[in-house]
Formats: sequence, structure tokens, C-alpha cells
Amino acid sequence: ILNVEQSPQSLHVQEGDSTNFTCSFPSSNFYALHWYRWETAKSPEALFVMTLNGDEKKKGRISATLNTKEGYSYLYIKGSQPEDSATYLCAFSNPDKLIFGTGTRLQVFP
Amino acid sequence: EAGVTQSPTHLIKTRGQQATLRCSPISGHTSVYWYQQALGLGLQFLLWYDEGEERNRGNFPPRFSGRQFPNYSSELNVNALELEDSALYLCASSFWVRAGAGMTDTQYFGPGTRLTVL
Repeated sequence: ILNVEQSPQSLHVQEGDSTNFTCSFPSSNFYALHWYRWETAKSPEALFVMTLNGDEKKKGRISATLNTKEGYSYLYIKGSQPEDSATYLCAFSNPDKLIFGTGTRLQVFP
Repeated sequence: EAGVTQSPTHLIKTRGQQATLRCSPISGHTSVYWYQQALGLGLQFLLWYDEGEERNRGNFPPRFSGRQFPNYSSELNVNALELEDSALYLCASSFWVRAGAGMTDTQYFGPGTRLTVL
């Protein structure tokens, strides 16, 4: 059974703090790793698709790195803002379905 | 461009009944996926349809079935509803991109249908 794990489960930070969280996935038969942001009462929104070992992606204050050999990806948020509050999901391409982690729930306090 | 739409937003049924959930993909997307998020659990893959055919299904009983129509919209049917079927059901549509030696897709999600089984 393929398992995707995310940590921490939840995170509370102050506005302006930088933060990061982890996604661990199987290191064999790697195709792609996806990051999604899921705000309450909205649909999950695609952030990044990462396919190559050493990939780094950036979107505004959010960036992600990928290590396929050891099976982990980090998501970083620089200078967190209240609007960054959401659940951040990673998903491993299997390859014909996505296996999601249970997410990291981030709450940013003003 | 319109996003993925799902209907209804909420659905309340009783045990033993059948539920039908609907999804319209983004124009141009041929793949539709269904996911279940039960309380306290992550998103669980249910079904994948592409070009009208079922391509893969997750670890769910045959009571969960669906179809994809010629216009690529899709229905998810859940028969003989059980209390534990109460969940948020998300639909996603996708397009495929090259990923290393293979292909992967970016999935775009709808707002979901909240199914409550009493």
C-alpha cells in the first residue's frame, strides 16, 4: 500500500513568520509530486507539480523543493499572511491516480 | 473559463437509498476523477474516467459506480447507502503533461457535494 505522509498535522503561526512543512512519499516508481492548497469552503487549488529530483518551484511567497531519492518534499511559506491559512495537501502520482496525504492545516494569526 | 462544477451542493439521504452526484469538467478536459473525504480522513481516490471509460478505481465496494458521458461530464452513483458514506465528494478534471519519462496531470477540483446519510 502506497502511503503519503505529511507533517505536522497542524501549525499555528503569527503573521510575518516563515514556516515549512514536509511531505514523505515512496521513493520508488516516482512520477510526480503535487502540492495543493485547500481553503475552507473552497476547492483544492493546484500549487505545484514537481517531477525531477532537485526541482525547486516558487509562486510568490510559497516555494517547494523535491528529493525523489529519499522521498520527501518541503513546502515553504515566507512571511506568512492570514490569507495563507488553509490546508496544504501533497499528492503522489501513482501514475494514474493521485494518492493524497492528509494535509497540514496552517492557521496564520494577525 | 468556467471551472469544474458539481451538483447538488448538499444531499441528504437515508440508509439503503441511492445517491447520484454530478460533475461537469473544465472545457477541454477529458479526464474526470472522483474522491471521497470522510470526516477526519484525507482525500481517498474513488474513480477515474477518461474518454468515456473507467480507467481505474480505488479501494471502494461495487456500490460505488459511475459513468462518463460523451460531453465528458460524469455521474457518481452510490447504492445501498450506509451511514459511513457520509462525506464530502470531490470531482476533479485534468489535462496530462509530460513528467520525466512519463505523463502526469494537474487536477482541477470542483466545490464538492456534501452527502449526509441518516
